[in-house]
Amino acid sequence: DAMVIQNPRYQVTQFGKPVTLSCSQTLNHNVMYWYQQKSSQAPKLLFHYYDKDFNNEADTPDNFQSRRPNTSFCFLDIRSPGLGDAAMYLCATSRASGRVGELFFGEGSRLTVL
Amino acid sequence: AQSVTQLGSHVSVSEGALVLLRCNYSSSVPPYLFWYVQYPNQGLQLLLKYTSAATLVKGINGFEAEFKKSETSFHLTKPSAHMSDAAEYFCAVSDLSAGTYKYIFGTGTRLKVLA
Repeated sequence: DAMVIQNPRYQVTQFGKPVTLSCSQTLNHNVMYWYQQKSSQAPKLLFHYYDKDFNNEADTPDNFQSRRPNTSFCFLDIRSPGLGDAAMYLCATSRASGRVGELFFGEGSRLTVL
Repeated sequence: AQSVTQLGSHVSVSEGALVLLRCNYSSSVPPYLFWYVQYPNQGLQLLLKYTSAATLVKGINGFEAEFKKSETSFHLTKPSAHMSDAAEYFCAVSDLSAGTYKYIFGTGTRLKVLA
């Protein structure tokens, strides 16, 4: 089945130790999104790619970076995780077209910072 | 900027009772609206979407929502709750920005179904 796959599902890191979360998709969608979701809160958009074009949200901290080496893969790098970065990180895709489509989500990567 | 507001962060219903989850939107243009469901430790799954066709939208798992422009609402309903409906529900609106659609989510409503 075509889907969005995130790895790892659970990541434990130490304060300040860099972390990379990955997302792959077999849907061939143009747009890939990274959301941060803290406990009992709405998903918050960090950034998105439209093909190779990177779009950063104005309030996304510099500590968060992203890479999209090809259509299928997208990575979220957290350079120096703080305790406040503990959250579920959700990757989603959508097809860019003239009509609004739905978001297809992965199952998320839950980050714990010790 | 477009936004959605979900009234009630927690809703409890008895099994077999009506489910009503509220969502109001703010938009200067005709909105595209969505309801997503999230089960514990999982990503979000689309329940249904409104894209300016029929005002009554039917989705998966017996859910439906009605778009009411006069009330700026898009409430989610299900006639009879099932235990498996216990989850968090998010209303979302899409906003066109820089050539792509960004999705703005409400704060969510956690649905509890009582036996």
